[in-house]
Amino acid sequence: GESVGLHLPTLSVQEGDNSIINCAYSNSASDYFIWYKQESGKGPQFIIDIRSNMDKRQGQRVTVLLNKTVKHLSLQIAATQPGDSAVYFCAENPRDAGNMLTFGGGTRLMVKP
Amino acid sequence: NAGVTQTPKFRILKIGQSMTLQCTQDMNHNYMYWYRQDPGMGLKLIYYSVGAGITDKGEVPNGYNVSRSTTEDFPLRLELAAPSQTSVYFCASSYSLTTSTNEKLFFGSGTQLSVL
Repeated sequence: GESVGLHLPTLSVQEGDNSIINCAYSNSASDYFIWYKQESGKGPQFIIDIRSNMDKRQGQRVTVLLNKTVKHLSLQIAATQPGDSAVYFCAENPRDAGNMLTFGGGTRLMVKP
Repeated sequence: NAGVTQTPKFRILKIGQSMTLQCTQDMNHNYMYWYRQDPGMGLKLIYYSVGAGITDKGEVPNGYNVSRSTTEDFPLRLELAAPSQTSVYFCASSYSLTTSTNEKLFFGSGTQLSVL
């Protein structure tokens, strides 16, 4: 069936390095993608989104890349900080599905000082 | 701003007990949602509501009930708790159901429920 998944369950990086979190999706009808950050004991928080008519979108220290050919989504965090330690989820929104998101399983990012 | 508020934060139930998870939002959002999050898994939609008096089933509605008597409140009811309902429950809200204007989901901080 259609699904959203993540390649790596845990990613450990050194403070100051760049982080790349990957996500694969299989629903070709998805036209909107979101990355959420979930800190321990808290609900998911919106980080950045991208529509299928774009390949790249940048925010503050974060960049999302979308490769529709291979159905791959990535989140890049520049100069990773201890405060970036969290679980990161990708979510997809199939066209005409309203706000009904399909969430991936999450990748835990651990930042070493 | 309070945003989305969930209570309680933690709860332990015995099999067969019932309880209500409370959720309220002060952003005047039309749409509200209940998700469950199992360890290592993504969020699964239980129920959602597009406005007061209207509710719809999500992906995993069995064993749950909801009501939406006001715009602000969207309680989730477990009638006969089962171990399979051990999970973390998140309530969320959004202004609209569509993503045409990049409306975002705002999540509460979650309720950790254990059924023993």
